[in-house]
Amino acid sequence: DGGITQSPKYLFRKEGQNVTLSCEQNLNHDAMYWYRQDPGQGLRLIYYSQIVNDFQKGDIAEGYSVSREKKESFPLTVTSAQKNPTAFYLCASSIQGGVGTDTQYFGPGTRLTVL
Amino acid sequence: LAKTTQPISMDSYEGQEVNITCSHNNIATNDYITWYQQFPSQGPRFIIQGYKTKVTNEVASLFIPADRKSSTLSLPRVSLSDTAVYYCLVARVIGGGNKLTFGTGTQLKVEL
Repeated sequence: DGGITQSPKYLFRKEGQNVTLSCEQNLNHDAMYWYRQDPGQGLRLIYYSQIVNDFQKGDIAEGYSVSREKKESFPLTVTSAQKNPTAFYLCASSIQGGVGTDTQYFGPGTRLTVL
Repeated sequence: LAKTTQPISMDSYEGQEVNITCSHNNIATNDYITWYQQFPSQGPRFIIQGYKTKVTNEVASLFIPADRKSSTLSLPRVSLSDTAVYYCLVARVIGGGNKLTFGTGTQLKVEL
């Protein structure tokens, strides 16, 4: 059953702690993306990666870090430097990226609450 | 990047056709127009994509005029389950990825 998974669905952390959100896909997609969504808002791009061992900053990368050691995995770390980390985080993947018709497929999301 | 503007909310009744229009005045030549649907606490789901004229699939139609400065998503015979937020996006190719600029979307509410 192909798809993109994120875990956990809900995550609670104390202020000042780093936390890593998981994103895995078995769609054999080259490109992967991380977005943040705040209540009543659209999605904002944090980081994206087209190929293994390569990634680029999006619009709001400050306070976040990523890695792409494997094609199917793109974990996001929310560091203590992120001022307002409480949000809904969405991971997406697409076949190759860099093509106008490429469609992004989204995971179910992780809701992070920092106490 | 092309900024999109769409109505904040729309109301409809079951069985009606719903048309949601989006404006993207500074769309570039290589930009594509994509619509996504999002239910609460879920990731957005792709609905339809187009470049110009009309595109139709099993769930919706997308109308794009010749100047491409706007687009209209048409949902035929909506049902309660179509209540969701609909995003109009202009997908720009950026290096090795595709940048999707999400606005606040249109909250569609379908009633009996």
